[in-house]
Amino acid sequence: NAGVTQTPKFRILKIGQSMTLQCTQDMNHNYMYWYRQDPGMGLKLIYYSVGAGITDKGEVPNGYNVSRSTTEDFPLRLELAAPSQTSVYFCASSWAAGRETQYFGPGTRLLVL
Amino acid sequence: ILNVEQSPQSLHVQEGDSTNFTCSFPSSNFYALHWYRWETAKSPEALFVMTLNGDEKKKGRISATLNTKEGYSYLYIKGSQPEDSATYLCALDTNAGKSTFGDGTTLTVKP
Repeated sequence: NAGVTQTPKFRILKIGQSMTLQCTQDMNHNYMYWYRQDPGMGLKLIYYSVGAGITDKGEVPNGYNVSRSTTEDFPLRLELAAPSQTSVYFCASSWAAGRETQYFGPGTRLLVL
Repeated sequence: ILNVEQSPQSLHVQEGDSTNFTCSFPSSNFYALHWYRWETAKSPEALFVMTLNGDEKKKGRISATLNTKEGYSYLYIKGSQPEDSATYLCALDTNAGKSTFGDGTTLTVKP
């Protein structure tokens, strides 16, 4: 199993540009998550999904959108990039909520200039 | 939004020292607590998941305890080695699917 994969690994965006961060998992997990990690901080939840077709906001959803059309994929969309969105983005998945361990992808480093 | 606090923020120890750090959370909001190990330039990896008051988990030289009544968990590392250098995250889970992470404790073990 590849686990959780993310693309791209690194991207530079200009202010106002849009992009989609891709996340795919091959473990048939129901739950998927998007986090951002800013320097010196922990992980902040952006959006999560409990299954295909169902998504919900996390702690810091503003400026982002998600969709979950399949169990495997959970893309994160930035519509109008802003410098405040410079961060490292991690996708994760788990079988269920609560007691189940989350498995993380390798991260996408995004720089908005 | 739950408040999960970890202390200290960073820790420098010598090889062979034993150390411990703390994760504090609101005791009224608890379903499960996770500890993750996060090495530089890698992804967080799970260490322990704990659910019951009094839970104790152990993996090699690393162990953790949980007190849900007072709202804290301790992570202990016995005889620290340079390869233990990493950031240790705790995360509080509700059954609703949202995980709240602390900011982590960054451990540096000097040879």
